[in-house]
Amino acid sequence: AIRMTQSPSSFSASTGDRVTITCRASQSISSYLAWFQQKPGKAPKLLIYAASTLQTGVPSRFSGSGSGTDFTLTISCLQFEDFATYYCQQYYSYLYTFGQGTKLEIK
Amino acid sequence: QVQLVESGGGVVQPGRSLRLSCTASGFTFSYYALHWVRQAPGKGLEWVAVISYDGTIKYNEDSVRGRFTISRDNSKNTLSLQLNSLRAEDTAIYYCTRGGRLLNSAFEMWGQGTMVTVSS
Repeated sequence: AIRMTQSPSSFSASTGDRVTITCRASQSISSYLAWFQQKPGKAPKLLIYAASTLQTGVPSRFSGSGSGTDFTLTISCLQFEDFATYYCQQYYSYLYTFGQGTKLEIK
Repeated sequence: QVQLVESGGGVVQPGRSLRLSCTASGFTFSYYALHWVRQAPGKGLEWVAVISYDGTIKYNEDSVRGRFTISRDNSKNTLSLQLNSLRAEDTAIYYCTRGGRLLNSAFEMWGQGTMVTVSS
């Protein structure tokens, strides 16, 4: 199975900060990469798919980049509602693996 | 309203069985591949199983292969997951999710989840 490794596992930041989360695949997944946001007690929400395409309704402060094995999720200006856990996921292979998650906390 | 609603979770003893259901509304159910994803308490997301739009292709994650069976009824807009030989490590929230037409599509839509607790 393709292993997805996110970094950092947790991070403290302030509103207005620019934040970048990275995700590395153990083998090339082309651009079959999605990013999800999950808040406590809620289902995950798709933010970005195909590595860089913003899902409808997601604010433009979220952006994604990368291809092959290295990917990033950037939040350009953190808002209070962005403090959550973020997961990357590959859907290149049918063993659809997720990263371990990055918990973004308020500093 | 476009939504997925899971049901069937509960507390079950190790070795017993449970059947989860997911009822869809607001979209053309038969067009999309569907998945089950689970999340153990305090842990990350783990993909469990996928079924193609017509039910002809199914894949399971290694740890559930031979124990869990995914199925769908396009006439009833319902996705199911039969969980057999349950183990303590199967304790999790189980989410139903919608992919795209193809199996390698992003998980666009999620239900609210149903909790399965395996305990004696």
